[in-house]
Amino acid sequence: AQRVTQPEKLLSVFKGAPVELKCNYSYSGSPELFWYVQYSRQRLQLLLRHISRESIKGFTADLNKGETSFHLKKPFAQEEDSAMYYCALQGGNTGNQFYFGTGTSLTVIP
Amino acid sequence: EAGVVQSPRYKIIEKKQPVAFWCNPISGHNTLYWYLQNLGQGPELLIRYENEEAVDDSQLPKDRFSAERLKGVDSTLKIQPAELGDSAVYLCASSFRPYKNTGELFFGEGSRLTVL
Repeated sequence: AQRVTQPEKLLSVFKGAPVELKCNYSYSGSPELFWYVQYSRQRLQLLLRHISRESIKGFTADLNKGETSFHLKKPFAQEEDSAMYYCALQGGNTGNQFYFGTGTSLTVIP
Repeated sequence: EAGVVQSPRYKIIEKKQPVAFWCNPISGHNTLYWYLQNLGQGPELLIRYENEEAVDDSQLPKDRFSAERLKGVDSTLKIQPAELGDSAVYLCASSFRPYKNTGELFFGEGSRLTVL
């Protein structure tokens, strides 16, 4: 069965400190992984996708198939990074099924 | 582009009353999703449409929930009768995924339901 696990519900870091939000997944095929973010009073939106290998707002995420992980990292956290972060997996027979983790609430302390 | 539009944003009803939520996806997006988000949880799929066909409704409590997507555009999610445990945010999302290409989900702002 497909599953996305985010072990940390809450994470607090000081401004300028490195941050890592953990995500582990289980999936029998080749998944496509995403990080979605929800800032206060905004809608859920895509932050980055593994297939693009891009850095968005200083965040990167590497897909580690051996460890079935897709951790989100940023070397220097900013106050505006405070938000709810969801790891998501896209898969299924038609590739149109999305499975979300329970989310990690990141607070960056000034 | 307005993005995915949902209404109402907030709804407060008494238990056993009916309620309906409406979603207008982004133009051209053939896939539409309804998700349930309980407090402190991630979105959980209720139903997924490919055009007007419900292709995944295995998580939809069919005794009280129903959905439709007439003409493959707008969609309505209905609960009748509502129970206390239905209090949650109902999210609509849409996507366009050409064959073998990766698509992303575009979410609406959600409809927050409170059942008293």
